[in-house]
Amino acid sequence: QVLLQESGPGLVKPSETLSLTCNVSGDSISTTNYYWGWIRQTPGMGLEWIATLHHTGNTFYNPSLKSRVTTSVDTSKNLFSLTLTSLTAADTALYFCARHTGLRYFDSWGQGTLVTVSS
Amino acid sequence: EIVLTQSPATLSLSPGETATLSCRASRTVNSYLAWYQQKPGQAPRLLIYDASTRATGIPARFSGSGSGTDFTLTISSLEPEDFAVYYCQQRSNWPPFTFGQGTKLEIK
Repeated sequence: QVLLQESGPGLVKPSETLSLTCNVSGDSISTTNYYWGWIRQTPGMGLEWIATLHHTGNTFYNPSLKSRVTTSVDTSKNLFSLTLTSLTAADTALYFCARHTGLRYFDSWGQGTLVTVSS
Repeated sequence: EIVLTQSPATLSLSPGETATLSCRASRTVNSYLAWYQQKPGQAPRLLIYDASTRATGIPARFSGSGSGTDFTLTISSLEPEDFAVYYCQQRSNWPPFTFGQGTKLEIK
């Protein structure tokens, strides 16, 4: 059974950069059909897909966030990461990582990490 | 971008009753729609994918139907653990993958 665990700073200042990591256990991040995604949740916007990446480097972004998002994968550590720049209060959210099998649906999720953007 | 509209926003029912939740897409998503369940303090859990296929380990009381723009999640004989928020998600036309705003199923 795959387990995903997000980690991140919790509190970030406006205009700064957020870096989150998702550690994957119980399965290889390099499995061909597995993609890995980031989704965030706010009371106002609900669930919002941010990006999905493959261990080969192939990455897909939400057009609304693309200019501020970067992703990476570390196959040696079985983890993947998200960077979001130029933060504002609107980026305050619960951030989830998830397995996005075959670029279809999100079939396994981490517990989420709360990120607050505030000075 | 495909917008998914869920109704009702809140559904109040008693255990043992049947819940019918709706998800309507702004344009056709064929059958490429999923349903998720989210309980307080937890991540969403995949229930149904491709409109009508139950995910691994999901009880038979959960069923999905529909195609094109109109979809239904039916939960028969509600159990106490079924009271949660339910979301739909489409994978037909992306980016972006989009979610509905959710339906809260609460105990009456």
